[in-house]
Amino acid sequence: NAGVTQTPKFRILKIGQSMTLQCAQDMNHNYMYWYRQDPGMGLKLIYYSVGAGITDKGEVPNGYNVSRSTTEDFPLRLELAAPSQTSVYFCASSLGIAGNTIYFGEGSWLTVV
Amino acid sequence: KNEVEQSPQNLTAQEGEFITINCSYSVGISALHWLQQHPGGGIVSLFMLSSGKKKHGRLIATINIQEKHSSLHITASHPRDSAVYICASTDSNYQLIWGAGTKLIIKP
Repeated sequence: NAGVTQTPKFRILKIGQSMTLQCAQDMNHNYMYWYRQDPGMGLKLIYYSVGAGITDKGEVPNGYNVSRSTTEDFPLRLELAAPSQTSVYFCASSLGIAGNTIYFGEGSWLTVV
Repeated sequence: KNEVEQSPQNLTAQEGEFITINCSYSVGISALHWLQQHPGGGIVSLFMLSSGKKKHGRLIATINIQEKHSSLHITASHPRDSAVYICASTDSNYQLIWGAGTKLIIKP
């Protein structure tokens, strides 16, 4: 099993550009999450999904969109990138939400200039 | 609203020392998670526990549901244990609430 795979690992965007961070898991997990982590700070939930076709906002959803057309994939779209979106993004998945191990991708370092 | 507090925020110790990191949460939970984030950024799940104690190698995690408190212990600490340790609990909406993390440095 590959676990949770995120791409790209590094990306530099210009202000106003758009991009999609890809996330895939091969563990048949129902729950998938996108977090951002600013330097020296903790994880903040952007969006999460409890299954294919179902997504919901987390703590910091503004400027982002997600979709979950399959159980495996949970892409995060950045529209009109802003410097405030410079951060490290982590995708994660779990079988359930409360009592199951959470698996993280390796992270995507995004810089908006 | 559930809040998760970790202490200490930073901890520097010598190799071989016994390490304790604490996590307190404000509302009842169904599970508490301990994770490790290495300087390269990768996050690994260490423990998920809802009662009692779990042990994996030199790492031990305990939880006291009545006191809403969990601890992560590292025995015979080693420089490779240097990382940020994060705890997370679930709130009433079953969302994960993350602590700010404890940065641990083990000096040789």
